[in-house]
Amino acid sequence: DVQLVESGGGLVQPGGSLRLSCAASGFTFSRYSMNWVRQAPGKGLEWVSYIHGSSRSTIYYADSVKGRFTISRDNARNSLYLQMNSLRAEDTAIYYCARDNILTGYSPNFDYWGQGTLVTVSS
Amino acid sequence: QSVLTQPPSVSAAPGQKVTISCSGSSSNIGDNYVSWYQHLPGTAPKLLIYDNNKRPSGIPDRFSGSKSGTSATLGITGLQTGDEADYYCGTWDSSLSAGLFGGGTKLTVL
Repeated sequence: DVQLVESGGGLVQPGGSLRLSCAASGFTFSRYSMNWVRQAPGKGLEWVSYIHGSSRSTIYYADSVKGRFTISRDNARNSLYLQMNSLRAEDTAIYYCARDNILTGYSPNFDYWGQGTLVTVSS
Repeated sequence: QSVLTQPPSVSAAPGQKVTISCSGSSSNIGDNYVSWYQHLPGTAPKLLIYDNNKRPSGIPDRFSGSKSGTSATLGITGLQTGDEADYYCGTWDSSLSAGLFGGGTKLTVL
């Protein structure tokens, strides 16, 4: 079965850093693009970042995180990462990793999601 | 405010039909495929529709999707109380080189 498990969330002070991880299993990780999506308290879903499966240089970011967040992946470890620097209160959210099934459809085709990890930015 | 516009809420009685609209522009919906997601608080979002109108395996045919120009629509027939959730459209924006979600629509089954 396909599984995505996020970790690394927690409480961090404004200006601080945090690294999120997403452990993937049950599929050939390198064949799929991956995304980070977040949901702030009381708000809707917000796309955060995208990384291609094999062409790890193909990366996109939302304007709200550009220059502060860095997405990466380690296909040998079946893992996706999100390095978050210069964190702000407005980055407080549940962060989900989502598989983009470009093998069967056109992006966005987020067919599997993790349960999310909560990031709280507060002093 | 989201680039993709959805109604904040819709409601209908059990057994009835409801549609949820998603309005965008030529650089996003007009130029890319649309997907739809169901989200219950505290759970992982669930893919309902991809490539504008295709259903993943396991999604009942009560759920349908369509796209015309710069708008997309999710239809749900035979409403059940278990359909109460937040629904989001998603697409890419070719100008922004970024993913987009609509602001979300809360469905209430009265």
